[in-house]
Amino acid sequence: EIVMTQSPATLSVSPGERATLSCRASQSVNSNLAWYQQKPGQAPRLLIYGASTRATGIPARFSGSGSGTEFTLTISSLQSEDFAVYYCQQYNNWPPGYTFGQGNKLEIK
Amino acid sequence: QLQLQESGPGLRKSSETLSLTCTVSGGSINSGSFYWGWIRQPPGQGLEWIGTIYYSGSTYYNPSLKSRVTISVDRSKNQFSLKLSSVTAADTAVYYCARHGDGGFSSGWYDYWGQGTLVTVSS
Repeated sequence: EIVMTQSPATLSVSPGERATLSCRASQSVNSNLAWYQQKPGQAPRLLIYGASTRATGIPARFSGSGSGTEFTLTISSLQSEDFAVYYCQQYNNWPPGYTFGQGNKLEIK
Repeated sequence: QLQLQESGPGLRKSSETLSLTCTVSGGSINSGSFYWGWIRQPPGQGLEWIGTIYYSGSTYYNPSLKSRVTISVDRSKNQFSLKLSSVTAADTAVYYCARHGDGGFSSGWYDYWGQGTLVTVSS
């Protein structure tokens, strides 16, 4: 199984600043990586797939980069609605299947 | 607008079978363009992929759950379902159904999600 490790577990950032979240895979997943945003009581929302392609309707302040084992989600200028938990997911590896990271919590500083 | 809605009992006892259904509206499972999946999230924890089904009935399961999981599709009702047998407290979670991205099973991201349903397993 490919293990996805996200860091930091919690990031405190002020509105208007940039946030950078990291996701590392235990082996190469090529560019088969997605990012999701989840707010309390809500389902995850797809932000990025293919490591860097924004999903429909996602603002340009969200960007993804990386390939292989190292990936980054950058939010260029944080808005109040961006404070949430972010998950990465690899879908490169079948079998045994898809795996998610444990999440990055982005909180207001 | 595509919508997915989970339904089923919210409480199960240990050793029973958990059964959930996902009803798809605003689109057809029969289109053949998409795969459909189940994901779960224990309270306060991260996400775990359970399995995936295609409209033809082809299935793919998480190896850690494979011995207990069955996912099926009812094309006439535009629904797909999850059964998880021999549940324990560790299976307590919010269960989500979701649609894979366009492009087949290799498009393993999820672009549409149901709201999720909490299933609690009691002893």
